[in-house]
Amino acid sequence: NAGVTQTPKFQVLKTGQSMTLQCAQDMNHNSMYWYRQDPGMGLRLIYYSASEGTTDKGEVPNGYNVSRLNKREFSLRLESAAPSQTSVYFCASSEAGGLGGKLFFGSGTQLSVL
Amino acid sequence: AQSVTQLGSHVSVSEGALVLLRCNYSSSVPPYLFWYVQYPNQGLQLLLKYTTGATLVKGINGFEAEFKKSETSFHLTKPSAHMSDAAEYFCAVSESSGNTPLVFGKGTRLSVIA
Repeated sequence: NAGVTQTPKFQVLKTGQSMTLQCAQDMNHNSMYWYRQDPGMGLRLIYYSASEGTTDKGEVPNGYNVSRLNKREFSLRLESAAPSQTSVYFCASSEAGGLGGKLFFGSGTQLSVL
Repeated sequence: AQSVTQLGSHVSVSEGALVLLRCNYSSSVPPYLFWYVQYPNQGLQLLLKYTTGATLVKGINGFEAEFKKSETSFHLTKPSAHMSDAAEYFCAVSESSGNTPLVFGKGTRLSVIA
């Protein structure tokens, strides 16, 4: 079982460049999430999608956009990258039954913005 | 709104000693509570969770946690630490209604000394 797959694993951008982080899950989960992890800050929610066709802002949405392409895929886009967006990004999905269930995480994308 | 406080960003124990990682939560409705573990360069994986029923929950790798409503706590324990337990541990809370995503604490890094 692949679970949650994120690409790329590493990325270096220059300030102002754009990129899209891809995420796909093969567990038929309704809900998907994007978190960022920074030292001493834990995981902070960027955006989430409770179901196909819906997206909502999390705690730190500024500078990001998302697309729930279908039930399997949930992408995160940085339109104009800034050094403050240097972080490790995790995609996750959760079992049916609402937003508060067990999360399954991808292995992360380490992003550096110079 | 929910929140999680993990006391101690870094805990160090000797191999064979008791592990105690503290977590206090704030929630206006009955919570679901989780502990996740993150090994270096990996995503997070679930250790254990409390939803309803028995307040002492057992997880993987010999860890357990007790939900204490009167203390709004969900501390993680393990009787005897192994070197392989060295990792970062995150406490998380969500509403039992299933209407809100998980909120994570800032994490506690556990070091195990031989």
